[in-house]
Amino acid sequence: AQSVTQLGSHVSVSEGALVLLRCNYSSSVPPYLFWYVQYPNQGLQLLLKYTTGATLVKGINGFEAEFKKSETSFHLTKPSAHMSDAAEYFCAVSGLEYGNKLVFGAGTILRVKS
Amino acid sequence: EAGVAQSPRYKIIEKRQSVAFWCNPISGHATLYWYQQILGQGPKLLIQFQNNGVVDDSQLPKDRFSAERLKGVDSTLKIQPAKLEDSAVYLCASSEISGESDTQYFGPGTRLTVL
Repeated sequence: AQSVTQLGSHVSVSEGALVLLRCNYSSSVPPYLFWYVQYPNQGLQLLLKYTTGATLVKGINGFEAEFKKSETSFHLTKPSAHMSDAAEYFCAVSGLEYGNKLVFGAGTILRVKS
Repeated sequence: EAGVAQSPRYKIIEKRQSVAFWCNPISGHATLYWYQQILGQGPKLLIQFQNNGVVDDSQLPKDRFSAERLKGVDSTLKIQPAKLEDSAVYLCASSEISGESDTQYFGPGTRLTVL
């Protein structure tokens, strides 16, 4: 079965530092790609998504992600971390090779140190 | 606009008991999803409804789980009887239609603990 992999279950950065959360997919055909954020005791909120067109996608709260077909990746970045960014982040994919359903990675917990 | 509503937020039961969760999607959203999120894992789709019809229930353990969406609005997910491994957060989501690129909007979830 096709899968989506998030490298690093925990990432820790200092406030003001670059945030980089990694996501790779396994399908041969590029899927639709999503990043969701989950704050404690809350549901998931969409940060951004890639469907077609420009490969650099800008989302909410200063986050952006770049689709790289050659690397089968969709890494999430933010130039300067804020304390409020501390949360769990999920990469998700959908498409024919994923059974036309949204398939999530295992998640990365982001810790922001003051 | 009101988001996806779920109740209860927390539930503790003993194994072999039954439990039901309720979801009210965003008004006008035709598609409704139930996900199971086990601690340390990403959400996994259990069932997808389009209006009041089932689109995908391939990952629903049908010997103990059931779900319905009467009148194409609210939905109920039931587990009977519950097992220890059913301890998880159950998330409901909705979207306007059911395309692969559609944004799904998630509720806060119901945290189930089975003792």
